Amino acid sequence: GENVEQHPSTLSVQEGDSAVIKCTYSDSASNYFPWYKQELGKRPQLIIDIRSNVGEKKDQRIAVTLNKTAKHFSLHITETQPEDSAVYFCAASKASARQLTFGSGTQLTVLP
Amino acid sequence: GAVVSQHPSWVICKSGTSVKIECRSLDFQATTMFWYRQFPKQSLMLMATSNEGSKATYEQGVEKDKFLINHASLTLSTLTVTSAHPEDSSFYICSAHPGGGSYNSPLHFGNGTRLTVT
Repeated sequence: GENVEQHPSTLSVQEGDSAVIKCTYSDSASNYFPWYKQELGKRPQLIIDIRSNVGEKKDQRIAVTLNKTAKHFSLHITETQPEDSAVYFCAASKASARQLTFGSGTQLTVLP
Repeated sequence: GAVVSQHPSWVICKSGTSVKIECRSLDFQATTMFWYRQFPKQSLMLMATSNEGSKATYEQGVEKDKFLINHASLTLSTLTVTSAHPEDSSFYICSAHPGGGSYNSPLHFGNGTRLTVT
């Protein structure tokens, strides 16, 4: 089955700096890669996703890049703000299966 | 946007009792729903895939007789934790998206259910 590894497990940045979280996946058939933000005790919220036919996608301060050959994808958050502090999960899935395999999560702390 | 409602949001039960958790898609039909479990400071682990009108598919290591899943309609899936024990205490989250040709729709999560077994 699919295996998704995520790094780092914790990340602290100063407000205004950029944050980068990286994930690798094992199944070359995976073609959908979402990123979720989860605040303590709450549901994961989709913040951005990318499909395998695209190399990069951007939405305001958030961007995701995908390298299919290397089987890794990354989340980039620019101009970080304290409200960006949360746990971020990457995930991967195959369209036919639809269920997601999640990475282990990254606790992002943005220091004011 | 698509909304998934999960109930209850938290429950405390005694060891040996059963607990039912409901997951509803409020504004779309979901032929498939997924049940995840999340222990503190850990990732979401897929427990089972709930298929409307047929048996659920369980992930390896998940006891199907302990975690009963019923998906009787296109908008409702239930997870029943039978004979709960303290080690079953966890955060249970369901998710769903429209089936059929709508695979491009993202997965939507319920609010989760915090289960504490005493």
